Amino acid sequence: DAGVTQSPTHLIKTRGQQVTLRCSPKSGHDTVSWYQQALGQGPQFIFQYYEEEERQRGNFPDRFSGHQFPNYSSELNVNALLLGDSALYLCASSLVGVQGPLSEQFFGPGTRLTVL
Amino acid sequence: AQKVTQAQTEISVVEKEDVTLDCVYETRDTTYYLFWYKQPPSGELVFLIRRNSFDEQNEISGRYSWNFQKSTSSFNFTITASQVVDSAVYFCASFVSGSRLTFGEGTQLTVNP
Repeated sequence: DAGVTQSPTHLIKTRGQQVTLRCSPKSGHDTVSWYQQALGQGPQFIFQYYEEEERQRGNFPDRFSGHQFPNYSSELNVNALLLGDSALYLCASSLVGVQGPLSEQFFGPGTRLTVL
Repeated sequence: AQKVTQAQTEISVVEKEDVTLDCVYETRDTTYYLFWYKQPPSGELVFLIRRNSFDEQNEISGRYSWNFQKSTSSFNFTITASQVVDSAVYFCASFVSGSRLTFGEGTQLTVNP
């Protein structure tokens, strides 16, 4: 049973470019969350997708957008890249019920984005 | 709003020492979940434990143990007889239904041989 997978592993972009990161959730999970982790800091919540809709969003600008597909996989898009967007981007999948998480969040290995 | 504080930025111990990582959380909700994750140098966050707010029973798993005290809003993590492989960044996190996973800033644990 494959866990959460993310692609690519590493990415180098220049300021102003656009980037798309991909995530496949753990089998049986229906919810995907994205986090940004700057060097030396804890992960910061970007947004969460459930049933192909953005369910929650953290304090990130509209340059950050996402999508969830019918097979539950997800993409994170960042437009007009800034130097400050350089970070490890983590995807987590889970099974979430109305009363709370039915499973813990399982994290992928992350995508290391460097913006020059 | 939720908040998780890990006051210890870095801890360095010698192998076989016991070490405790502190975590203090803030929430206005009566139902919440607390987590610990380990992040080795490879970067992937590894789930260690989840507790809900109604279960204050301490838990032991091998060399790992967790002390949950609602009276002090703490969820501390102890590694007994630490090993070099325990070296990693450890994150405490909280979750409230309808919200999101909120992480602390992490504690870098270095276990020296």
